[in-house]
Parts: sequence; structure tokens; C-alpha cells
Amino acid sequence: GAGVSQSPSNKVTEKGKDVELRCDPISGHTALYWYRQSLGQGLEFLIYFQGNSAPDKSGLPSDRFSAERTGGSVSTLTIQRTQQEDSAVYLCASSLKTVNSSGNTIYFGEGSWLTVV
Amino acid sequence: AQSVAQPEDQVNVAEGNPLTVKCTYSVSGNPYLFWYVQYPNRGLQFLLKYITGDNLVKGSYGFEAEFNKSQTSFHLKKPSALVSDSALYFCAVRYGRNTPLVFGKGTRLSVIA
Repeated sequence: GAGVSQSPSNKVTEKGKDVELRCDPISGHTALYWYRQSLGQGLEFLIYFQGNSAPDKSGLPSDRFSAERTGGSVSTLTIQRTQQEDSAVYLCASSLKTVNSSGNTIYFGEGSWLTVV
Repeated sequence: AQSVAQPEDQVNVAEGNPLTVKCTYSVSGNPYLFWYVQYPNRGLQFLLKYITGDNLVKGSYGFEAEFNKSQTSFHLKKPSALVSDSALYFCAVRYGRNTPLVFGKGTRLSVIA
């Protein structure tokens, strides 16, 4: 597709339920990122996939959060046993391979708005 | 640790006046600096970036930013603000390959007609 695609765009879930958020990066982009944006806050890095390398999971806030990337393309962010503080916009982004340049632009999707009630 | 600071939560400017949104970064190696804009209920849109070369970088929608190594700053500027520029602006830094962008907390720009 032309841009980074995320689904669902909006999700309301009950506390304690599991949720899955999907990201389809720009075709040909090997780097994929997940960020979280809470109300009134900046962007919090969650996890980063780069090609076949082990993902950088250093930003995941707890073991309830996990992500996978199948076939080097689509990624799924899973939040288990959701809590109210998980309510936020989850933004996915992608970029070209960064081996030669750390200046490659990162392109963002529109985000998945998660509300835990 | 790499970080950026956006010292102003809110910037108000009259339409037609020049605008500046401030950003400073932590000193560590050679930074790659970015500006993004977020309109209400939307994702982030790339505006411009500094990688190397000229310190003055021009980007989308008439915006520009100047990399100032001595002041460790990368302020976003526009000569004449438009009401449609009202949005949330994020500065971000990256220091090396295979690292994610680190974002500032954002600055809300309001351009008043």
C-alpha cells in the first residue's frame, strides 16, 4: 500500500481482555516500530524490528506486551490482560533498512486508538 | 542517553507572524534530527530532517529548521504562520544505526487569525 496501515483504527475493550493490534508497513520497508502515545504525553518507544535481527524490546512496559512480525512484513502487537492505563494511541511506523544510513525517514500510520474500560 | 527536549508545551502566534518551535538535544555523538507534525486525530507526518551538510534544512509546508551544534539545538521555523499550521509538533533524535527515534514531549502550536 501507499502508506503504513493499522487496524483496528479504534478499539474499546474491557479490563482484563487481550487485544491485538495490526500493522502493515510500507512495501519494501524492513524496519518496523511500535510507539505508544498516551493523552498529553509524548511518544513512547515500545519495540523495533529490523529485518531478520532480534527485535529491540527495550521499550515494552511489562510482560503483558508482546509483538511479532511474520514474514518480515505485517506485525501484531498483543496486550494481554489489559489495564486502564493501557488506554492510548498505538502508532506503528516503518522505514527502509538502516544499515547504510541512520537518517532514513520513519513513516507513521494513523494509529490504533485503544480504550480500556 | 539520547534525548530531546521541547521546552514549550504551547506556542501561540498570530497568523502572518514568524513562528519558532524550540528543540534541544543531548550531546552524544552525531545526531540525526527530525521534525514531525500531528494534526488532530491523525498519525505523525514527516516535516524535515538533518543528517549532514547544510545546517539550514528546508521541509514540507514552508517549514525549515537550523541545526546549531554549539547550542545543541534544532529549532523549527516558518517565516509566516498559517491558521492551518495549528497542530502538535514533535522533535526527534537518532544517534546510530539500528536504533529507534527518541521523541520529545511535543509542542502544541496555535496560530490565531
